[in-house]
Amino acid sequence: DGGITQSPKYLFRKEGQNVTLSCEQNLNHDAMYWYRQDPGQGLRLIYYSQIVNDFQKGDIAEGYSVSREKKESFPLTVTSAQKNPTAFYLCASGGGETQYFGPGTRLLVL
Amino acid sequence: GESVGLHLPTLSVQEGDNSIINCAYSNSASDYFIWYKQESGKGPQFIIDIRSNMDKRQGQRVTVLLNKTVKHLSLQIAATQPGDSAVYFCAARGAGSYQLTFGKGTKLSVIP
Repeated sequence: DGGITQSPKYLFRKEGQNVTLSCEQNLNHDAMYWYRQDPGQGLRLIYYSQIVNDFQKGDIAEGYSVSREKKESFPLTVTSAQKNPTAFYLCASGGGETQYFGPGTRLLVL
Repeated sequence: GESVGLHLPTLSVQEGDNSIINCAYSNSASDYFIWYKQESGKGPQFIIDIRSNMDKRQGQRVTVLLNKTVKHLSLQIAATQPGDSAVYFCAARGAGSYQLTFGKGTKLSVIP
């Protein structure tokens, strides 16, 4: 069963806490992406990776960090420096031009 | 940089009618465009794509039209069904870029 999985579906963050969102794909895609979606807005790019052990900042990288140690995995850490983390986070992967999305993780602040 | 916008934030259509959702982009060098469908609480689902060397592309019940002269693309859904109710948004890619720029979305509501 091929596809992109994200976990958890819901995540609660306490003040000052770092949290990590998981993204895994078994589509053998080289590129992976993290987006943030806020109500009424388009998707905004946080980070992207075109190949293992390499990643680039997107438009809103401040307060976030990533790693790409394996082709299949691209975890996103929301650090305590991100002051407004409440949003729907979407991971995508692509082998060419098209990007395919996972089911998303909704992050809420306690 | 690129900006992508949709003309209408909401659209209501009668079941069985055709739906047309519009999108405009700013960068004349954009060479690839995608339409996505997003249901509430879910990730976006790929619908159809088109490259800038084409004017029209058809899928199952969907057609995308690209007008490069006015930098406009549209998604047409034939015989709209209740299951088509969702937010639809377009994305554009600048030539030579890996990044997509996304519009804000049009919420399609199908009236039974």
